[in-house]
Amino acid sequence: DIQMTQSPSSLSASVGDRVTITCRASQNIGSYVNWYQQKPGKVPKLLIYAASNVHSGVSSRFRGSGSGTDFILTIDSLQPEDFATYYCQHSYLSPYTFGQGTHLEIK
Amino acid sequence: QVQLQQWGAGLLKPSETLSLTCGVYGGSFSGYRWTWIRQPPGKGLEWIGEINHSGGTNYNPSLKNRVTMSVDTSREQFSLELASVTAADTAVYYCTRADWNSRLRQSWFDPWGQGTQVTVSS
Repeated sequence: DIQMTQSPSSLSASVGDRVTITCRASQNIGSYVNWYQQKPGKVPKLLIYAASNVHSGVSSRFRGSGSGTDFILTIDSLQPEDFATYYCQHSYLSPYTFGQGTHLEIK
Repeated sequence: QVQLQQWGAGLLKPSETLSLTCGVYGGSFSGYRWTWIRQPPGKGLEWIGEINHSGGTNYNPSLKNRVTMSVDTSREQFSLELASVTAADTAVYYCTRADWNSRLRQSWFDPWGQGTQVTVSS
């Protein structure tokens, strides 16, 4: 199975900050990475697909980049509603695994 | 806009069979891979498997021996059965759609059902 490793596991930041979350795949997966946001008790929500494409309805403050094994989710100008847990996921081949999650909390 | 609504038993005893169904409303049922994902309490997301509208399946090897997925195209529903459950199967179970983009030749999970808490306890 392809392993997806996120860093950091948790992150404290302030409203207005820019944050980056990294996801590393255990092998080359091209651009086959998606990013999701999950708030406590809520359903995961697609943010970014195919590494760098912002899903419809998602704020342009969210950006995805990377290819191969290293991928980054950047959130510009953090807003209160952005504090959540973020997951990367590969779609290169099954089983489609997720990263362990990055918990973003308010400093 | 397509919506997924899921239902099924939420409390099971060890060795019983988990059974969940997900209905697809407001969109096409064919041409997609209908997927189940679970999330144990306080943990991350685990892909369980997928089924297409023709009944073709693809399961996570870690659960393959216990998982059965089925589809009812007339009702636009798909189902998950997980046999011989233990406490380790306690999780929120989500149904979702693997949305395929033919230009990018990639897929992602969207939308998602509301989730079903399944607890296994004696």
